[in-house]
Amino acid sequence: DTAVSQTPKYLVTQMGNDKSIKCEQNLGHDTMYWYKQDSKKFLKIMFSYNNKELIINETVPNRFSPKSPDKAHLNLHINSLELGDSAVYFCASSPPLGGELFFGEGSRLTVL
Amino acid sequence: QKEVEQNSGPLSVPEGAIASLNCTYSDRVSQSFFWYRQYSGKSPELIMSIYSNGDKEDGRFTAQLNKASQYVSLLIRDSQPSDSATYLCASGGATNKLIFGTGTLLAVQP
Repeated sequence: DTAVSQTPKYLVTQMGNDKSIKCEQNLGHDTMYWYKQDSKKFLKIMFSYNNKELIINETVPNRFSPKSPDKAHLNLHINSLELGDSAVYFCASSPPLGGELFFGEGSRLTVL
Repeated sequence: QKEVEQNSGPLSVPEGAIASLNCTYSDRVSQSFFWYRQYSGKSPELIMSIYSNGDKEDGRFTAQLNKASQYVSLLIRDSQPSDSATYLCASGGATNKLIFGTGTLLAVQP
């Protein structure tokens, strides 16, 4: 059983479109994250939710809207996609006291 | 200014040698430090965590932490071609937020 799963794994879309990525974890963790990894492998935190509550919101354009319907799910919706949004988006979760992140397989977004 | 810095490499070592990966961090309140390995096209996986000054060994891997110098390192003994990957250093503070470095690409030559 996959601990942190994301769908879809690949998205190819045109500029201006809207897309969503879904994430689910079956580890029983309270905290989930979205990270963005650019072409130079830099992994940067975007959002974090603890038990459905937003606790970290980095400087991210408001075209990005996360939603956590319950503590096992964290989705990411992106409006009006731009070329610079092309990246790999990783979902992750961590146990209650923080520490180790468990990553999903990543969703590679390509905006044309 | 980046909060966690790593040499991007590539770091090339022959098979069987010791690979030494280094990382510095700027936030003095950082309490936890992690090394993740990321193969091309895959997600990062944790290989070592360290919270106290000194060395921590796990198999062929040794993590070293020096909080006074704000320095973390990872040594890989008896390097294998399968160790070829990008190694990401990360630091964590009081919040559940990990800050990652840009990673060091390690290439182990057979």
